[in-house]
Amino acid sequence: GDSVTQMEGPVTLSEEAFLTINCTYTATGYPSLFWYVQYPGEGLQLLLKATKADDKGSNKGFEATYRKETTSFHLEKGSVQVSDSAVYFCALRSPPRGSNYKLTFGKGTLLTVNP
Amino acid sequence: GAGVSQSPSNKVTEKGKDVELRCDPISGHTALYWYRQSLGQGLEFLIYFQGNSAPDKSGLPSDRFSAERTGGSVSTLTIQRTQQEDSAVYLCASSFFEQTEAFFGQGTRLTVV
Repeated sequence: GDSVTQMEGPVTLSEEAFLTINCTYTATGYPSLFWYVQYPGEGLQLLLKATKADDKGSNKGFEATYRKETTSFHLEKGSVQVSDSAVYFCALRSPPRGSNYKLTFGKGTLLTVNP
Repeated sequence: GAGVSQSPSNKVTEKGKDVELRCDPISGHTALYWYRQSLGQGLEFLIYFQGNSAPDKSGLPSDRFSAERTGGSVSTLTIQRTQQEDSAVYLCASSFFEQTEAFFGQGTRLTVV
């Protein structure tokens, strides 16, 4: 079945440091890939997405590139801010089997950015 | 409404009691998902609705869990004879079409004592 593996946290960085959160996946066919973010006390919200190989999703200075050859979708940001402190979830949606469009999530990575 | 609404936001219940959790999706959204978020476990898929039907119920942990959706809108997740291991945050999400972005509610924090 579909699965998402992301690096275990917690990740603690200083402000302006470079961030990478690794994400790899197992899926049938060509899934769509997503990063969701959950800020403290808030619900999950979509950060960025990519729907086909070599696509790069980007938002708020974050980027992730859909790499089919390595089945990866690593999240990166060149210079993190304290306000980026949150839990980040990698997710995939496989092409539908029947009418099933289930989203499969990784376990989440807690990022803390210190001033 | 403006977003996905879940109620109650918090629920404390005694072991063995039944609970109902409600989700109001964004108006017009056809797909609706339920997930469970436990500490250290990430998001666990429970059930997915397309309209009023559930093509995938594979994530429901036991027969104590059930869900329904009426009128292609509101959904209710029911947990019978609650156990302490049911304590978690239950999240609902909806999307306009299945392939578009899923919007999440704030969740219901369930505590079984």
